[in-house]
Amino acid sequence: KAGVTQTPRYLIKTRGQQVTLSCSPISGHRSVSWYQQTPGQGLQFLFEYFSETQRNKGNFPGRFSGRQFSNSRSEMNVSTLELGDSALYLCASSLNRVRELFFGEGSRLTVL
Amino acid sequence: SQQGEEDPQALSIQEGENATMNCSYKTSINNLQWYRQNSGRGLVHLILIRSNEREKHSGRLRVTLDTSKKSSSLLITASRAADTASYFCATDLSGANSKLTFGKGITLSVRP
Repeated sequence: KAGVTQTPRYLIKTRGQQVTLSCSPISGHRSVSWYQQTPGQGLQFLFEYFSETQRNKGNFPGRFSGRQFSNSRSEMNVSTLELGDSALYLCASSLNRVRELFFGEGSRLTVL
Repeated sequence: SQQGEEDPQALSIQEGENATMNCSYKTSINNLQWYRQNSGRGLVHLILIRSNEREKHSGRLRVTLDTSKKSSSLLITASRAADTASYFCATDLSGANSKLTFGKGITLSVRP
């Protein structure tokens, strides 16, 4: 069974640009969660989607948005990038609300 | 502030020794989970313990949960160099809109 796939793995952007990250969950998993990981703040919850509906949202500004498609694939978008958005963005899928999460390898975003 | 706080922040041991890591949390939980992360990679789920369980084993891992003290410990027995990684506890809070909240992690170094 294929794991969680995140693309792209690495990307470099400049301030003010926007970025879209993609996540393909494990087949059959309907829940997708996104986390931002930085050395200073650790793992911060961004949002969770289940069956195309945002079920929960973390304390991030509106520049951070996401969506989930009918095939459970998910995307997150960050607009008007700031230097502080440089981080490893992790996507995780789970079968149900029991919440054993399966993580992808992450998308490492560098904002210059 | 983080729901889960791990202790110590860093741990260095010799191969073959046992490693004990602790996690404290603040509010009622449905379950508590431990994850491992190798440098710059995605997280890997290790073990989940439910709020009505006190101890759980998986291979060389032993997890305990004390809900009265709001704390958990992860014991890795007979450590190996390959156990070198960051370890995170994550709490699944009670409530309809719960999310899995991670601590800042413990860096474990196992010296050959």
